[in-house]
Order: sequence, then structure tokens, then C-alpha cells
Amino acid sequence: ETGVTQSPTHLIKTRGQQVTLRCSSQSGHNTVSWYQQALGQGPQFIFQYYREEENGRGNFPPRFSGLQFPNYSSELNVNALELDDSALYLCASSSTGGAYEQYFGPGTRLTVT
Amino acid sequence: KQEVTQIPAALSVPEGENLVLNCSFTDSAIYNLQWFRQDPGKGLTSLLLIQSSQREQTSGRLNASLDKSSGRSTLYIAASQPGDSATYLCAVRPGQAGTALIFGKGTTLSVSS
Repeated sequence: ETGVTQSPTHLIKTRGQQVTLRCSSQSGHNTVSWYQQALGQGPQFIFQYYREEENGRGNFPPRFSGLQFPNYSSELNVNALELDDSALYLCASSSTGGAYEQYFGPGTRLTVT
Repeated sequence: KQEVTQIPAALSVPEGENLVLNCSFTDSAIYNLQWFRQDPGKGLTSLLLIQSSQREQTSGRLNASLDKSSGRSTLYIAASQPGDSATYLCAVRPGQAGTALIFGKGTTLSVSS
């Protein structure tokens, strides 16, 4: 069974640029959630995708957008990067029904300069 | 609005000690609660999940309890080892199965040999 994978591992971008982060969900999981974790803080929910549609969103501006593909993998896009976007971005997958336990990937460390 | 608090923020203990990490939440209407472990700069590893109808879950040296009415959960670690050193995060899933996790800021544990 393959776990949740994310790419790239690290990324350095300049303020104002755009970035795309990628996530492959765990085998058999159809729901993907994205979280942002600033240094010393708990993860904050960005949004969730189920059946290729966004079905929940946290308190993040529209420049944070995403996609889910038919194979349940997902992308997180951030436009007009700001310094405060520097964080660890975590992807989590789960399957509907049952305990809805979430399994997290290793994260992508984004640094905005 | 659901809020999750973890006390203490940091904890240092000698190897072999039994310890308790605390998690409190403001709204008792939760679907389930998960405890995670996070090593520095890494993703989250799920340790235990407790459904709202359960009182506790055990895995090896770890035991997690849930008291929904008082809005509290504890993670008990028996016979601590240096390899247990990490940040431990508590997260609640409010109300329904498909809602996002709400995290505390974590307790950073250091176990000295």
C-alpha cells in the first residue's frame, strides 16, 4: 500500500510569483485535504476535494486554489505569493465512510523571499 | 467556533518516565479526535484515533482517552524513550465525518537518555 506522497520537497519562490504543489493520495482514498503549517503552529485547513470538486474551505483567500484529478491526486496553486505564505504545506488523504482517519504526506516546505 | 488547546507547550523528561499530554477543546460536538506525531520539518504520523462514542484507544505504549462532556483528551506515554522525542499534535473533527481537522499547537516532547 502506497502512502501519501508530495512534491517537491522544498521550494524557494520570490514574492509575487505563482507556485504549484502536488499530492498523490494513499491507495483507495478518494478525499484530499490541504493544510498550511507555519513555524511553531498547528496545521490550518485550506480546502478539501472530493470527486474532483471542492467541498470545504478554510479561511484562505481565493489566490489559494486547487484541483483534484480522476486518480484522486491533487494540486495546490498559490498565486501572487506573499512573504507570509512561507510555511510547510501538508496534504492528507482519507476515504469516505467509517472513521474518516486522515493520513498525511511528508509536506512541501515553501520559502517566499 | 471550535478551539483546541494543548498544555504544556513543551516538556522535558528523563528516559523511562511515564507522561501525560493534555488536549482540550471548546465544543463537545465532535465526530472524532486524532493524535499525531511530527518530527522536525516532517509530515504528521497518525498515532491514535478515538471516535466520539469511544472512551479510549491503545497502541503499544500509547493510550489516549476522551472525555467529550468535559472537552478533554489525554495521551499517555509509558516508559518514555529518546526516540519518542517529537511534537505531539491533537486534532478534532467537528460534528460531521467530512469536516476538516482543527489542530492544537502541539506539545514538544524531549526525552533525555
